[in-house]
Amino acid sequence: AQSVTQLDSHVSVSEGTPVLLRCNYSSSYSPSLFWYVQHPNKGLQLLLKYTSAATLVKGINGFEAEFKKSETSFHLTKPSAHMSDAAEYFCVVSEGGYSSASKIIFGSGTRLSIRP
Amino acid sequence: NAGVTQTPKFQVLKTGQSMTLQCAQDMNHNSMYWYRQDPGMGLRLIYYSASEGTTDKGEVPNGYNVSRLNKREFSLRLESAAPSQTSVYFCASRERTGLKRTDTQYFGPGTRLTVL
Repeated sequence: AQSVTQLDSHVSVSEGTPVLLRCNYSSSYSPSLFWYVQHPNKGLQLLLKYTSAATLVKGINGFEAEFKKSETSFHLTKPSAHMSDAAEYFCVVSEGGYSSASKIIFGSGTRLSIRP
Repeated sequence: NAGVTQTPKFQVLKTGQSMTLQCAQDMNHNSMYWYRQDPGMGLRLIYYSASEGTTDKGEVPNGYNVSRLNKREFSLRLESAAPSQTSVYFCASRERTGLKRTDTQYFGPGTRLTVL
């Protein structure tokens, strides 16, 4: 069975410092992995996705994530936080193929706060 | 190209009232989804439609019904609203690309529903 765990419900960093949002997953198959961002009172926007090509994936707004199969992790990073990065971030795992939609699993989310 | 649109944006109901949430996408996607988002629980799948003419239950279907009216539209109905259905509801459609069939989902802006 697949699952996804976001290890921190809330992360707070100072503006200009690095961001690390942690995500671990389990999957019986070769998964696709995603990070979505949700700004307050907005819908979800795709940040980046991993689909078994390069293990280091670059996304929008300077974010990137590295797929580490041995650690079953897909952590999201950014070298320098900006105030506009304050939002909720969701890690998502999908087994792809013609599997049912119930095999798209969302993490519980990590709220990122940025201190001036 | 509007992407995924949802109406209404906000709704307040009394217990026992019924209503239909509307969703439409103009990206020619086959699959569409309804999620609910509650604090600390990420997104949970209510129903989905893998293609026009088919619908299936997700993780939390009780108290809801859906209709896939055509390829563009997928509606969610609450027949007798309960306070436990107070939530933010998101519609999504799914793109499948290439042999890997990557599962990128595109989300609407959400409907904030309060049941008194």
